Amino acid sequence: DAGVTQSPTHLIKTRGQHVTLRCSPISGHKSVSWYQQVLGQGPQFIFQYYEKEERGRGNFPDRFSARQFPNYSSELNVNALLLGDSALYLCASSPPDLGGYTFGSGTRLTVV
Amino acid sequence: DQQVKQNSPSLSVQEGRISILNCDYTNSMFDYFLWYKKYPAEGPTFLISISSIKDKNEDGRFTVFLNKSAKHLSLHIVPSQPGDSAVYFCAASGGNDYKLSFGAGTTVTVRA
Repeated sequence: DAGVTQSPTHLIKTRGQHVTLRCSPISGHKSVSWYQQVLGQGPQFIFQYYEKEERGRGNFPDRFSARQFPNYSSELNVNALLLGDSALYLCASSPPDLGGYTFGSGTRLTVV
Repeated sequence: DQQVKQNSPSLSVQEGRISILNCDYTNSMFDYFLWYKKYPAEGPTFLISISSIKDKNEDGRFTVFLNKSAKHLSLHIVPSQPGDSAVYFCAASGGNDYKLSFGAGTTVTVRA
């Protein structure tokens, strides 16, 4: 049974560029959440989507956006990249009762 | 505003001994607490959780204790094994807010 899959695993972008990160949840999981983990800190909540609707948004600028597709996969988009956006981006999925988050291995984004 | 705090960035323990990891929180609305373990280049892996209606939950070598009046929880690992060397994150959620608030993590090193 496949876990949460994220792509790409690593990415290098230049300041000002745009990036799209992708996440496929565990089969049967309808909720997807995105977290940013900067080195030395814990993951910080960015977005949560449930049944294709945004359920929550963390304290991130409007340069960050996301969406969830009918198959429950999700994309995280970041525009106008800054050096400070360099981080590990984690996707987590959870079953219909919204408990029991399972994380993917993350996408390591480096902005140069 | 850091609502979940892990004040010990690192912990070194001898194999076979007990590891005790501590976590404090400030938000009284938190009613569900989790511990995650993270190896380098992997996403966080769920270890154990506790609801605010309990003060202890045990799963094999892992026990979590919750002291609601002190807004404090701890994770005990007995006995510690070399494979337990990892970063441990404390996380919390509350009410209708399903997002997880994480601490900064504690790096555990188990010495042979």
